[in-house]
Formats: sequence, structure tokens, C-alpha cells
Amino acid sequence: SQTIHQWPATLVQPVGSPLSLECTVEGTSNPNLYWYRQAAGRGLQLLFYSVGIGQISSEVPQNLSASRPQDRQFILSSKKLLLSDSGFYLCAWTGGTDTEAFFGQGTRLTVV
Amino acid sequence: GESVGLHLPTLSVQEGDNSIINCAYSNSASDYFIWYKQESGKGPQFIIDIRSNMDKRQGQRVTVLLNKTVKHLSLQIAATQPGDSAVYFCAEKTIGANSKLTFGKGITLSVRP
Repeated sequence: SQTIHQWPATLVQPVGSPLSLECTVEGTSNPNLYWYRQAAGRGLQLLFYSVGIGQISSEVPQNLSASRPQDRQFILSSKKLLLSDSGFYLCAWTGGTDTEAFFGQGTRLTVV
Repeated sequence: GESVGLHLPTLSVQEGDNSIINCAYSNSASDYFIWYKQESGKGPQFIIDIRSNMDKRQGQRVTVLLNKTVKHLSLQIAATQPGDSAVYFCAEKTIGANSKLTFGKGITLSVRP
């Protein structure tokens, strides 16, 4: 069966520090991968999605970047965090056009 | 750009009643729709989906209705239970190999005992 791992679960980082959140998928190949951010009490904002290794689409201009060094690995990064980067970050994968998305358990990032 | 949106931000229902959560979408190219349930501090979980060639699909205690004419999607929950309290999102996927999943704003369902 397919599983998705996302870590860490919680993270407190000072302003100006770097960020690296990792997401890996098991049990499938060539997934479409997504990073979403969710502010408290808000909806899910699509940040990045990837249809293959090295292929990243950015949805909104921001202080973050994403990379896909391997087929089932998706990394969200920042060189210098801002207070506004605080939020709940979710990684997800889909298997194709007409399939649901499966989500990781999320990372609660607090920038202080 | 086009986006998925919800009519109401909150919904309060009595335990045992039926709940109806509505969603409007604007991207006519979308051909697959999903309802998700998100509990506090967790990632969204799949509830039910529907393809654009259907107008109704039923699951266990849930029914999704799709009206492509007015670009409207709804989720019906029968005999609402306290465990149904959560945030509900509708989502849509565009057509094609590079399709992406776009979410609506979400609605909080609160079940009164």
C-alpha cells in the first residue's frame, strides 16, 4: 500500500534561519507531488506541485522554494524565514488525473 | 484566476439531522471533484469523489451531487454525528497529465449534541 511521510511534525525557527521540510512517498512510482500551506482557520493554498524529477511549478511568489531530487521525494526550503512563513504545511501526492490526493500529517511551523 | 469557493464559512447542525455543505467552482475545465474532511491538527482525509460524467454518487452516510450547469457541488451527510465535526473542503482537478488539485476555502461543520 502507498504511504506518505512528512517530517518534522512541529518546528519552531527564528526569523532569518533556513528551512528544510521533507516529504517522501512509498508504494507508488512517478507520483504528482504537492506542497500546501494552511494558515490558522483558513483554506489550503497550493505552493508548489511537481509532475516529475526536477520539474517544479510555483503557484505563488513567496519566500520558499521546492525541489524534487528523487521520484518520491519532495523538499520545501527557504534560505531565510519570515514571520509570515508560519503555518501548517502539508505534502500530498496523486497518482494521475482522476485520483484523489493523499496527505501527510503536516508540519506546524512557527517562525519567532 | 479561477478558483473553487464555498458559500458558507460555518455550519451548525443538530445531532441526527442531515447536513448539506455547498461548494461553487468556476473552472469549467475541471473534470474531477473531491470532498475532504480535516480534523484539527491533521491532514485532510478523503471522503468521496465524483467525476464530471456523473451527477450523483453515494457513499456510507454521504452523498455528493454535481451540477455542471451551474458549477455547483454539494456534500450531504445523513444523520450527522458528533464525530462529523470538522472542516470540510471541496477540491477540483483540471484535465490533463499535469493536473493540479485546487481547494476551496473550507467550511467548519459543528454538530450540536
